[in-house]
Amino acid sequence: GAVVSQHPSWVICKSGTSVKIECRSLDFQATTMFWYRQFPKQSLMLMATSNEGSKATYEQGVEKDKFLINHASLTLSTLTVTSAHPEDSSFYICSARDTRGTRTDTQYFGPGTRLTVL
Amino acid sequence: SQQGEEDPQALSIQEGENATMNCSYKTSINNLQWYRQNSGRGLVHLILIRSNEREKHSGRLRVTLDTSKKSSSLLITASRAADTASYFCATDLGYTPLVFGKGTRLSVIA
Repeated sequence: GAVVSQHPSWVICKSGTSVKIECRSLDFQATTMFWYRQFPKQSLMLMATSNEGSKATYEQGVEKDKFLINHASLTLSTLTVTSAHPEDSSFYICSARDTRGTRTDTQYFGPGTRLTVL
Repeated sequence: SQQGEEDPQALSIQEGENATMNCSYKTSINNLQWYRQNSGRGLVHLILIRSNEREKHSGRLRVTLDTSKKSSSLLITASRAADTASYFCATDLGYTPLVFGKGTRLSVIA
């Protein structure tokens, strides 16, 4: 089956620093990837849609200058949390759609990245 | 924004009992999916049901969909302690991103 990986799986950083999270589709190509955020004991909230070769589309209330998304290839999207603050501590999950496969409406999820900002 | 509301928010049952979780959504959908998430871990896809389907089974799981009521239910039969997790429904219009409900936290007591 389609596999999506994320790196790192967890990261601890100091307030004010930037953190980059990678999302890779390992065995398929994905022109579209999605980034979600999940706070403790809450559900997943869509942050943005990442499109290969173009600008990401952000959901209302998500600061595009704070959460930089780059989808430079068909298998890699990155989310950079700039000037991170403790309130950015969360579980970040990406997903990817196999745009050339037979199940193009299926989203495959990565294992998530736990970000803790001190 | 969140599409769905799961009901109940939390459910505690004894091992061997059945667990039923409900999900309601607000807009038209193409697909509705159920996911499981163990504490602090990633999502596990359980089952997908399309808008033209009314019921699907997978092992001990049974999912129903009532598009007229904009609701779905997930039944887990003969529950086990290992079923303890949070369960989310998620909907999409085919090519739109999945929108998740608030989830139900299921505790199965051995």
